[in-house]
Order: sequence, then C-alpha cells, then structure tokens
Amino acid sequence: GNSVTQMEGPVTLSEEAFLTINCTYTATGYPSLFWYVQYPGEGLQLLLKATKADDKGSNKGFEATYRKETTSFHLEKGSVQVSDSAVYFCALSNSGYALNFGKGTSLLVTP
Amino acid sequence: DSGVTQTPKHLITATGQRVTLRCSPRSGDLSVYWYQQSLDQGLQFLIQYYNGEERAKGNILERFSAQQFPDLHSELNLSSLELGDSALYFCASSVGTREEETQYFGPGTRLLVL
Repeated sequence: GNSVTQMEGPVTLSEEAFLTINCTYTATGYPSLFWYVQYPGEGLQLLLKATKADDKGSNKGFEATYRKETTSFHLEKGSVQVSDSAVYFCALSNSGYALNFGKGTSLLVTP
Repeated sequence: DSGVTQTPKHLITATGQRVTLRCSPRSGDLSVYWYQQSLDQGLQFLIQYYNGEERAKGNILERFSAQQFPDLHSELNLSSLELGDSALYFCASSVGTREEETQYFGPGTRLLVL
C-alpha cells in the first residue's frame, strides 16, 4: 500500500537558519508528491508539488525534489523566517485517489 | 482563501447525537474529499465523491455517511457520536480524479463531542 514517513518534530530553528524536513514514501507505480502547510487555526494549503521523478517543486523559497531512486521528497529552505512557523505535511497521491499524509512536522522559528 | 467553504466552523454536541457537516467545492471542481484530523490518528481520508458518485472509501466508520448533491456540494453525516469522534473535519476539492491534481482544502469544521 501507500505510505509516507516524515521526520518527527517539533523542529526549532533560529531565523535565517537552513531547514530540511525529511520525507520518504512507499507506493506502487509513480505517485505524485506534495507538501502542504498548516498555519495555526487554519486549513491545509498546498506549498509545492512534483508529479514525476527528478521534478523539483518550489514556492516561497521552499524546494523539494522527487527522488525515485531513494523514494524521497525532502523539503528545504535556505533561510527560514518567523512567519514559516507551521506544521508541514508530506503527502502522496496514487491513481487519482485520496492523499496519503505523513504525520506532520511542527516547525517553530524563533527571532 | 482556497475557494472551498465549510460550515459550520465549530460544532459542540453530546454523545449519541447526529450532526451534518457541509462543504461547497471550488467553482468547477467535480471531486470532493473528506478527511478527519485528530491528534492520535493524524490526517485520515474518509471518502471521495466525483460528480455525484462515490469513488473511494477510506477509514470511514459505518456510523458516518456522505453524499454529493447535483450542485456538487457535499454533506458528511456523523451519527451516534462518541467522544472519540471529536476532531477537525476537512473537505477538499479538485477538478477531476487525476493524481497530479492539487486538492484544495477548506478551513475545516471543528467537532467537539461532550
């Protein structure tokens, strides 16, 4: 079956630090991969996505590359801001069905 | 604003009761998904509808049911509520059923069962 494993949080970083949140997946075929972000008290927002191997998704300074050989989709940002504090979810979609989510990684960025 | 609306925003009810959550998808989206978010289970897929027809079922309890109406809005019915049903319920929509399509999430309905 499909599953997503992401690093457990919480992750605490100082402003302008480098961020990496690891995500690996198990799936048959060629799933599409997503990162969603949930700010406190809000719903999920798409951060970025990649639909085939070696694709790089990017948005708001965040990047993730679809690595089929390592079944990974790690999220990175070169310099985090306080406003990036949120919960980040890695997810996959296979055959057009529902998203399978990881457990989420809470990020706190301090000034 | 994702364009997906959900009502009500908050719901407080008692065990044994029945509630209905409502979702309006983005204009033009034919697929609607329901998810449950709880601290212990994380984000779990419940059910998907496409253009009025049920397309996929996830971890949805028999006490729960849903439907999608001709105007494409959807309702999730939760009955014989238990304390453990307290959670955040999200609706999401997408254009169709292709896996690369983005699902857009509503703000959620927070259900508290006392």
